[in-house]
Formats: sequence, C-alpha cells, structure tokens
Amino acid sequence: DAGVIQSPRHEVTEMGQEVTLRCKPISGHNSLFWYRQTMMRGLELLIYFNNNVPIDDSGMPEDRFSAKMPNASFSTLKIQPSEPRDSAVYFCASSLAEMANYGYTFGSGTRLTVV
Amino acid sequence: AQKVTQAQTEISVVEKEDVTLDCVYETRDTTYYLFWYKQPPSGELVFLIRRNSFDEQNEISGRYSWNFQKSTSSFNFTITASQVVDSAVYFCALSEAGTGANNLFFGTGTRLTVIP
Repeated sequence: DAGVIQSPRHEVTEMGQEVTLRCKPISGHNSLFWYRQTMMRGLELLIYFNNNVPIDDSGMPEDRFSAKMPNASFSTLKIQPSEPRDSAVYFCASSLAEMANYGYTFGSGTRLTVV
Repeated sequence: AQKVTQAQTEISVVEKEDVTLDCVYETRDTTYYLFWYKQPPSGELVFLIRRNSFDEQNEISGRYSWNFQKSTSSFNFTITASQVVDSAVYFCALSEAGTGANNLFFGTGTRLTVIP
C-alpha cells in the first residue's frame, strides 16, 4: 500500500500565478479530504469528497480556491491567482468511510510558498 | 468555540522520562470520536489511535497509553520511557457523529522534544 500520495512536495511560486496541488488517495478509499496547516490557524478542513462528489466546501477560503476529483484515484486543489497568505502546508487525506470516525490517512503534504 | 484544547504548547523531557500530553474536548454530541495524530519533523501526519465515546477503557500500546475520561472531557496521552524518536508535534482531534459532519477538529498541537 503506497499510502496517500501528494505532489509536489514543495512548491514555490510568485504571487498571481496559478498553483495546482495533486493527490492520489489510497485505492479503495471513498472519501478524500483537503486540509491546510498554518501557524496561525492550525489544521483546517478545506473541502471533502465522497465517491468523487464534493460534499462540503465551506472551508475553502475564497473563490480563488477550487478542487476537483475527476475519478476515484485523483484529486486536485487549485489556487488562482495565488497570494502570499496562501503559503501553508496542504494535506490530502483519504478514508474508507464517509464519516471521519474511522480516522484518516494523510499524505506527506505539499509545502506551498508564494512570494 | 474551540472544540479541542491542547493547553501545552511545548514540552521538553529528558530521554527515558515519562510524559503526558493533555487534551480537553468540547462537544454536545453523545456519540463522538477522539483521535491522536503524530507529526514528526518530516511533516507527515501519523494516525495513532481512535476512541469512541462509548468506550472509556484506557488503552496501552507499547510505550503509549491513553486515558479517556468523559467526566472531565479529557483524552490524555502518556509516553512512558520517552525516546528521542518521540520528538514530534502531537495533535488531538475530535469528530462528532451526530452532526453528520466529516470534519476532524484538531487541537493546536503539543510540540514534544525529547532530549538525549
């Protein structure tokens, strides 16, 4: 089991550029979650999918953020245009059940720096 | 309101000492789940334990043990005979089943440093 795979591990981009973060969940997991970790706000849920369908995107900070899950094995989180305050570590996680009760398996994260 | 409080921001202990990380939670649900995750310096989040609200039995796994007390809304984590490899940030988290939400509410974490 390769676990949850995120790419890239590190991303440095200039303000105003588009950034795309990628995630491959564990095979067979039907729920996928995007989290953001910052010093100020800690770990916060941005959006989650169940069976490839976005269920709750209330955590997405603003319209510059969008997420897609075209199939069960791939998801993207896009920021367009990026701003310095978007600098954070973005985690993807997946689980077997829709409810978080079973716990998530997290990817290694993508450290985004917007300069 | 903060659903999960980890009052200890940083803790330092000398190797082989025991250390307890505190976690206090807040929920109105009768069914909920509590978790501990470890974030080592490499950055990934590692699942340690899940406990449901109906099971107050304490759990031991090797050098790790967890004390769940509903009366005080606490779910504390003890590492016995700490080792340098235990140095990490530890997060306590809560999931509320009743709301149907799929959110893990994380505490702000406790950074543990084990000094050799």
